[in-house]
Amino acid sequence: DAGVIQSPRHEVTEMGQEVTLRCKPISGHNSLFWYRQTMMRGLELLIYFNNNVPIDDSGMPEDRFSAKMPNASFSTLKIQPSEPRDSAVYFCASRGTSVLEQYFGPGTRLTVT
Amino acid sequence: AQKVTQAQTEISVVEKEDVTLDCVYETRDTTYYLFWYKQPPSGELVFLIRRNSFDEQNEISGRYSWNFQKSTSSFNFTITASQVVDSAVYFCALYGTSGSRLTFGEGTQLTVNP
Repeated sequence: DAGVIQSPRHEVTEMGQEVTLRCKPISGHNSLFWYRQTMMRGLELLIYFNNNVPIDDSGMPEDRFSAKMPNASFSTLKIQPSEPRDSAVYFCASRGTSVLEQYFGPGTRLTVT
Repeated sequence: AQKVTQAQTEISVVEKEDVTLDCVYETRDTTYYLFWYKQPPSGELVFLIRRNSFDEQNEISGRYSWNFQKSTSSFNFTITASQVVDSAVYFCALYGTSGSRLTFGEGTQLTVNP
């Protein structure tokens, strides 16, 4: 079984540009989570979806961040416009209905210059 | 509110030593779940174990063992005969049934030297 797939693995962009991160959850999982990891703040939950519906987006830093899940097998996290302080590793994780553990993707390392 | 504390920021040991990573948690939920994740230098987060609050039986998996004690709100992780490949950041996490979030500790950086 394929795990959680994220793309791109690395993204370098200039301040002000739009960035889109992509995630494909594990097939059959119905919950999807977006996290951000930085040295200063550790792992932060940005938003999570249950059955494609956003349930809790209180962790989204500001209006520059948006996330969508148009179907059960795909989600995007968009930052527009990006800023240097958005530089971090962004993880996507998914969870099935019969399990409580979340399975993480490999992460996207974002650098905004 | 939920909280997970990993007081050990960094631990350094020599190969073959045993090492214990501490995890203390706080929750008001009577039903909750505890987890350990490993983050090796390559960066991915790897699920290691889940423990239910109503099951205090300790668990062993190869060189790994976990000691869950509700009386002290601790869920410690021991690596026996450590190896260089065990070098990673280890995160303890808590999920309480009244909330929706997985709360992570700040992580312990384990370095195993040859």
